[in-house]
Amino acid sequence: DTGVSQDPRHKITKRGQNVTFRCDPISEHNRLYWYRQTLGQGPEFLTYFQNEAQLEKSRLLSDRFSAERPKGSFSTLEIQRTEQGDSAMYLCASSLMGARGYTFGSGTRLTVV
Amino acid sequence: DQQVKQNSPSLSVQEGRISILNCDYTNSMFDYFLWYKKYPAEGPTFLISISSIKDKNEDGRFTVFLNKSAKHLSLHIVPSQPGDSAVYFCAASPLRGGGADGLTFGKGTHLIIQP
Repeated sequence: DTGVSQDPRHKITKRGQNVTFRCDPISEHNRLYWYRQTLGQGPEFLTYFQNEAQLEKSRLLSDRFSAERPKGSFSTLEIQRTEQGDSAMYLCASSLMGARGYTFGSGTRLTVV
Repeated sequence: DQQVKQNSPSLSVQEGRISILNCDYTNSMFDYFLWYKKYPAEGPTFLISISSIKDKNEDGRFTVFLNKSAKHLSLHIVPSQPGDSAVYFCAASPLRGGGADGLTFGKGTHLIIQP
């Protein structure tokens, strides 16, 4: 068990570019979450998968944000036409159904210049 | 509108003493509460949780107290150790595990343990 893995750890991109982040959850976990954390704030819930089904996506920040989890394994979060306000830490977490808490990855820090 | 509030951005406690971190919430639908600990450059780590049917839950040096009528919970760490220095997040959800509602987090309290 190597925990929740996120790639890349850091990403610097120019405004207007598209970016994609990857999350590899703990293998037996069927639930996967994406959160965003900005400076001085707690993590903010974005979206949730149970296996391959995306059961909640209304909290994605705009239609520029999308997430996938093909075959219920790894997940990707894509941001199109990035804006400076998208600069943040993007956290992925996974859990088993009924678990008390999630296991978070170390996050991907996005800087939009 | 902050539904989970941690009003102390930072707290300094002497090693060996008790650390008390506080959290207030406004959403009556919250039924499950968690504390996470975060070191710099790492993701949050789950510490302890409590369901609304309980008023106390203990795990080693960590105890969480829930006062549902006051919509208030607290995390007690006894005795405090240098490795406890971190940012602590309070989180809440309408159900255990978050599910489609996710977790709602507070802004965090930076705990500093002084030698």
